[in-house]
Amino acid sequence: EPEVTQTPSHQVTQMGQEVILRCVPISNHLYFYWYRQILGQKVEFLVSFYNNEISEKSEIFDDQFSVERPDGSNFTLKIRSTKLEDSAMYFCASAKSRALQETQYFGPGTRLLVL
Amino acid sequence: DAKTTQPNSMESNEEEPVHLPCNHSTISGTDYIHWYRQLPSQGPEYVIHGLTSNVNNRMASLAIAEDRKSSTLILHRATLRDAAVYYCIRSNFGNEKLTFGTGTRLTIIP
Repeated sequence: EPEVTQTPSHQVTQMGQEVILRCVPISNHLYFYWYRQILGQKVEFLVSFYNNEISEKSEIFDDQFSVERPDGSNFTLKIRSTKLEDSAMYFCASAKSRALQETQYFGPGTRLLVL
Repeated sequence: DAKTTQPNSMESNEEEPVHLPCNHSTISGTDYIHWYRQLPSQGPEYVIHGLTSNVNNRMASLAIAEDRKSSTLILHRATLRDAAVYYCIRSNFGNEKLTFGTGTRLTIIP
């Protein structure tokens, strides 16, 4: 069964450093998402992406964040200058469409720790 | 905000059915009800979704009240691997993002 993959599984970085989290969505999906989950808290939406453009972003997704689909398979989340509060699990998801009944398929996540 | 209400936690014995309730009293006619679950240290995983009729798949059943203000996720025979946080989520027209609440933490007792 096709699945969303994410790399790396864990990343430790120093405050102020740039990190790039990578995702390979399911191959025939067109809609891509990033969510994050701070330890012990809810899963929070960050951004949705379609047709090489951001379609929606949350208040969390400020100028320090960017997303890109550099080629036909990868979908990346970049944090330009990490802060301590960026420490969280980051989940990528993909979907075939944005229909109300559509399922989003999530990856296993990248655990980011900012020191 | 796509509001749903679920109990914080539930327990069930292994190999018995589990009924996980969800209240969505402000649901509109076009909103679907989705259930996802999150096993420990994993990403959310789709379980089932429905609009008006009851739904069955290999993982679970979804019973939707006639007025659609509540629904129940039914795991027919819980196993230890079903221990997870279960999220009931409404999908809103024009709003493709999933809004996760705190969900119900299901503990399975061997």
